Amino acid sequence: NAGVTQTPKFQVLKTGQSMTLQCAQDMNHEYMSWYRQDPGMGLRLIHYSVGAGITDQGEVPNGYNVSRSTTEDFPLRLLSAAPSQTSVYFCASSPRDILTQYFGPGTRLLVL
Amino acid sequence: GESVGLHLPTLSVQEGDNSIINCAYSNSASDYFIWYKQESGKGPQFIIDIRSNMDKRQGQRVTVLLNKTVKHLSLQIAATQPGDSAVYFCAEFTGGSQGNLIFGKGTKLSVKP
Repeated sequence: NAGVTQTPKFQVLKTGQSMTLQCAQDMNHEYMSWYRQDPGMGLRLIHYSVGAGITDQGEVPNGYNVSRSTTEDFPLRLLSAAPSQTSVYFCASSPRDILTQYFGPGTRLLVL
Repeated sequence: GESVGLHLPTLSVQEGDNSIINCAYSNSASDYFIWYKQESGKGPQFIIDIRSNMDKRQGQRVTVLLNKTVKHLSLQIAATQPGDSAVYFCAEFTGGSQGNLIFGKGTKLSVKP
């Protein structure tokens, strides 16, 4: 199994541009989530999904959209990037809930 | 311990010594706690967990202690190795919604050979 994969590894955007961060898992996990990690702060939950077709907001959802059309994929969309969205983004998946998550390697995003 | 501001607290230990990393949690209603290890450039990795009805749990070379009276967790690593160098952080779960996992800021462990 590849586990949780994220692409790209690094991205530079200009303010106002849009992009999609990809996340995929091959473990048939129901639960998937997106976090952002900023210096001096703990991981913060952006959005999560408990199964295909179901998504919900986390602590910091503003500026981000998600969808879960398949069990395997959980893309994170930035519709209009802002410098405040400069961060490292981690996707995670779990067989059932938030407590047993496997994290991907992360995507480092820089918004100029 | 937990960080204040932009800089993580750092714990520097000699290879072979024991390490103790501390974490203060915020919610007395939290009933489940997890320790994660994050190596440079990688995602967090589960180390060990503990439920609030326990005071201590042991894994391979790691022990987690929970003191609910003062809302404090500690992670003890025995015979610390260079491969243990990483950022360690705790997370607390308050139950209910699948979004209620709160992560601490982390402590950087540096192991000197």
